[in-house]
Amino acid sequence: QVQLVESGGGVVQPGRSLRLSCAASGFTFSHYAMHWVRQAPGKGLEWVAVISYDGSNKYNADSVKGRFTLSRDNSKNTVYLQMNSLRREDTAVYYCAKTVTPSGDGMDVWGQGTTVTVSS
Amino acid sequence: QSALTQPASVSGSPGQSVIISCTGASSNIGTYNYVSWYQQHPGKAPKLLIYDVSDRPSGVSSRFSGSKSGNTASLTISGLQAEDEADYYCSSYTSTYTRLFGGGTKVTVV
Repeated sequence: QVQLVESGGGVVQPGRSLRLSCAASGFTFSHYAMHWVRQAPGKGLEWVAVISYDGSNKYNADSVKGRFTLSRDNSKNTVYLQMNSLRREDTAVYYCAKTVTPSGDGMDVWGQGTTVTVSS
Repeated sequence: QSALTQPASVSGSPGQSVIISCTGASSNIGTYNYVSWYQQHPGKAPKLLIYDVSDRPSGVSSRFSGSKSGNTASLTISGLQAEDEADYYCSSYTSTYTRLFGGGTKVTVV
């Protein structure tokens, strides 16, 4: 079945780095753009970043620009979120999500989420 | 860019219809037909209900429908059911290729 599994979350000190991974299965990964969305404790959803199907285009939210970098390995069906210079306000559950169609917009498959806690 | 604006809460009785609004700007909702809606139950990942303003993914109930007028999109839940009690979020594509979410609306079935 179509599935996304995130990993790499944990507790990290402010200013340090963390890399999240999202492994996809059950669909042709290389055809779809992939998103990262986060949700701070008790708060709403916040869009973080998107990477195009081939990795040639990447866009980030202003809140993470210059600190977070997206990449993907279509041979491994995996997308990565490299998070540098982490701040306390980056504490959240991080979800990866698949674009609903190659040409449409919307996220139809979500992972279970991985928790990132930035704390000293 | 600022988040899209949604009402904090909406309520209705079983069987009724409720409408959730999502107000943006000409740089997002007003120009692009890329509005999506999500349902999220506590402790769960979001679920896509509507994409591209009014398209429903397979498996999503026809009780959920979407529309757009100007800078405002709307989600209508018809025939409200107890299991519809959840948080709902809108999202839009923007002129800078990013996405924006709304602040979320809590739907209560009274």
